[in-house]
This record gives sequence, C-alpha cells and structure tokens, in this order.
Amino acid sequence: DVKVTQSSRYLVKRTGEKVFLECVQDMDHENMFWYRQDPGLGLRLIYFSYDVKMKEKGDIPEGYSVSREKKERFSLILESASTNQTSMYLCASSQLGQGDGKNIQYFGAGTRLSVL
Amino acid sequence: SQQGEEDPQALSIQEGENATMNCSYKTSINNLQWYRQNSGRGLVHLILIRSNEREKHSGRLRVTLDTSKKSSSLLITASRAADTASYFCATFRYSSASKIIFGSGTRLSIRP
Repeated sequence: DVKVTQSSRYLVKRTGEKVFLECVQDMDHENMFWYRQDPGLGLRLIYFSYDVKMKEKGDIPEGYSVSREKKERFSLILESASTNQTSMYLCASSQLGQGDGKNIQYFGAGTRLSVL
Repeated sequence: SQQGEEDPQALSIQEGENATMNCSYKTSINNLQWYRQNSGRGLVHLILIRSNEREKHSGRLRVTLDTSKKSSSLLITASRAADTASYFCATFRYSSASKIIFGSGTRLSIRP
C-alpha cells in the first residue's frame, strides 16, 4: 500500500516563526502536492512538484515555499507564519503519466497548524 | 476557481438508507474521481470514472457520469454508521499536468 507520512499531526506556532511541514512517500511517485483545507473552501493547491528540485505554483502560493531535494520528500515552508495560515495542510503524491491510475492521489493524514 | 461543486453541502440520513451526492463541473474532463475524508484525516480515493464511461460500480458505491450535463453522482447503498465522512469529487484533464481539482465536498452523516 502507498504510504504518505506527514511529520506532525498538530503544530502550534507563533506569528513570525519559520515553519517546516514535512511529507514523505514510499511509492516512488514522481508527483507530490501540498494543499490547504479550510471549512467551506475545499482543498486548495499551494504547490506541486513533478520531479526532484522541480516545483510549480498552485492556486495560493503566496506566503509559502517548497523544497524537494529527494524524490520521496516534499517540504512546505512558511517563511514567516501569520494567523491567516492557520489551517489543515494535506500532502499527496501520485504517479506521473496520463493513464487513469496514474493521477489518483494518495494523501497523508494531514497537519493541523495553529498560528497564534 | 473550483472545478467541481458538490450538492448538497450536507446530508443526514438514517442507517440503511441510500445516500446520493451530486457533483457539477465546468470544463471538459478525462476522468472524474470520488474521494472520502474521515473527520480530521486525509482523503482516500474511492472510485474513478473515465469520460467515456456512464456508470461504474464498486461494492456499495455506484457512480454515474453525464458529460453532456457536466455532472456526476455518487450513490452509497445501504448506508452504515462508518460511512459518516465528507465526500469530494475531483476532475482530471490531461492538459493539467497531473493536477486534479477538488470540489468543496458533501458532509454525510449517518444516524444510527
């Protein structure tokens, strides 16, 4: 089974802190994604990566950056956390390619971040 | 902008009844997927239907797709308390570079 592991289930940080959210997948997937989920807004894509050191902005990249130094690991960085970044953060991975099974996404359990 | 919109936003039914959720989307797609999310957890893929398919079954799940109306429905038959969760549709297009776009979800509650 595909396993996507997010390093923390809950995090509490202070405004202005630098925050790292880590995600590791064990299925050799090329694609990795970071979403945030807020009530009534569904999932919004922050960034995604289709290869090591490659990244592409999603719908809401402002205030975030990412790092993908190894294929299995994708990190989301909040350079200076703000209260409006309090949210549930979800990491996902998928295979590269156009076959149907290749764009199914596998999710981690999520990190609930509170910025005080 | 959101590609998929689910209807209703929330649904509460008695255990044993059938639950139907609907999804509408705006542009052409190559496939549509349904995911489930238990409270406070990540999403889990349930079923995928291709754009050239009209209906698909998996256990107690039945998905339909009408590309002319740009809509899909998810039917869960003989609901159980464990089906309580949020359900999301997600659309995929080959031109989208592996990204899928999620709707806002339907929150399903099963009353015992």
